[in-house]
Parts: sequence; C-alpha cells; structure tokens
Amino acid sequence: DGGITQSPKYLFRKEGQNVTLSCEQNLNHDAMYWYRQDPGQGLRLIYYSQIVNDFQKGDIAEGYSVSREKKESFPLTVTSAQKNPTAFYLCASRIYRGGGAQPQHFGDGTRLSIL
Amino acid sequence: KQEVTQIPAALSVPEGENLVLNCSFTDSAIYNLQWFRQDPGKGLTSLLLIQSSQREQTSGRLNASLDKSSGRSTLYIAASQPGDSATYLCAVPISDNTDKLIFGTGTRLQVFP
Repeated sequence: DGGITQSPKYLFRKEGQNVTLSCEQNLNHDAMYWYRQDPGQGLRLIYYSQIVNDFQKGDIAEGYSVSREKKESFPLTVTSAQKNPTAFYLCASRIYRGGGAQPQHFGDGTRLSIL
Repeated sequence: KQEVTQIPAALSVPEGENLVLNCSFTDSAIYNLQWFRQDPGKGLTSLLLIQSSQREQTSGRLNASLDKSSGRSTLYIAASQPGDSATYLCAVPISDNTDKLIFGTGTRLQVFP
C-alpha cells in the first residue's frame, strides 16, 4: 500500500545529542513537510521541500535541519540547539497537480522525549 | 496575519446526532481550506479540501461548507457514530503559498453510545 512511513514511533534524546527522524513516502508526491505538534498549540511548520535538493524554512526552523536527496525521503535532524524538543513530530507530503491545490497526507508521527 | 480558530474546543454528543464543527479565519483571501481528522497518538487524515471557488464538498456523512466573505467554514457530520470520535482540525494556506498551512487548534469530539 502507498503511504508515508515515519520512524521510529518513539525516540528519546539525551542532553546535547542530535537525533534524526525518518520520513519515507512511496506516493510519488512532489512536496514533503515537517510539523511539530504541542498540546494546545496546533501544528507548526518546521521545514518543507517542494523538489529534490531544495527546501525552505517554516515558522520554527531554529534548532532543526533537513535534507532532500531523494524524492521519497525527507529526514529531520533535531540538533542540540533545539532547547525544547519534546513534542510530537509529523511528516506530510502532497502532489502538485493542475486544477487546484491537493491535500497534504500525513504519517503516524514520532514522539520525541528528553531523557 | 492569518489566524484560524475552532470553537468549541471539545464536544460530547450521543450517537445518532447531527453535528456542526466550526472553523473561522481572519483573512478571507484564502486559496482553499482543508479539514482533517486526528485520532489519539496518530497522524492527520485528510477529510475534505474545498477550493476557494467552491462553496461545499461532500464525502459520505461529511459535508464541509465555505463562506469566504464571513471567514467561516463548517464541517457537518450526519448521524454521528462512536467511530467519529477524534479531534477535527481545519487549515488554510498562508496567502498564495499553498505549501504553508495555518492550523486551528482543533475540536475534540466524543460520540458516546
């Protein structure tokens, strides 16, 4: 089945450590996105990529980094510079097609906690 | 600056009721509006996307309407079922960049038998 796979489902980070969250899609979607979800705050955009080897900052990019070397993959690294990384991280993708915007499709998320 | 508000934050109804969820946005110049469902601990599932030129979209028991002039969208759920229990979120793009969505904080719906 086509879909978006995020791994791991749960991740723990030690102080000063970088961690990488995986996001893979086999939908042949063009764009990919990373969101952070905190209780009571809704989703906030971290980074997005419209095409391979290119990406743009979202609203809360500080302390995060991404790469888009393949169309199917958009990993997110939470660096030690991100002082409050505990959150639920969601990856999404969508296809570009004429006739209006297409919906974003989401993975099942990664919950990151600090040890 | 675009802001998206969803009221009520939580709603509890008995099975079988028809119900309406509300989404308000401050800037009426939107390109589209999307409704999502989120089950606890899970990602979002896209329910309906309404283009700016449309007034409503339907999928099964769900009907979403859009009134850009008043800055409102409603999600109507007919004959609610316990399986409809979830958080419902709406989102609109920032101006003409349809890749950047602004999300509401959601309405948490519980349908009890």
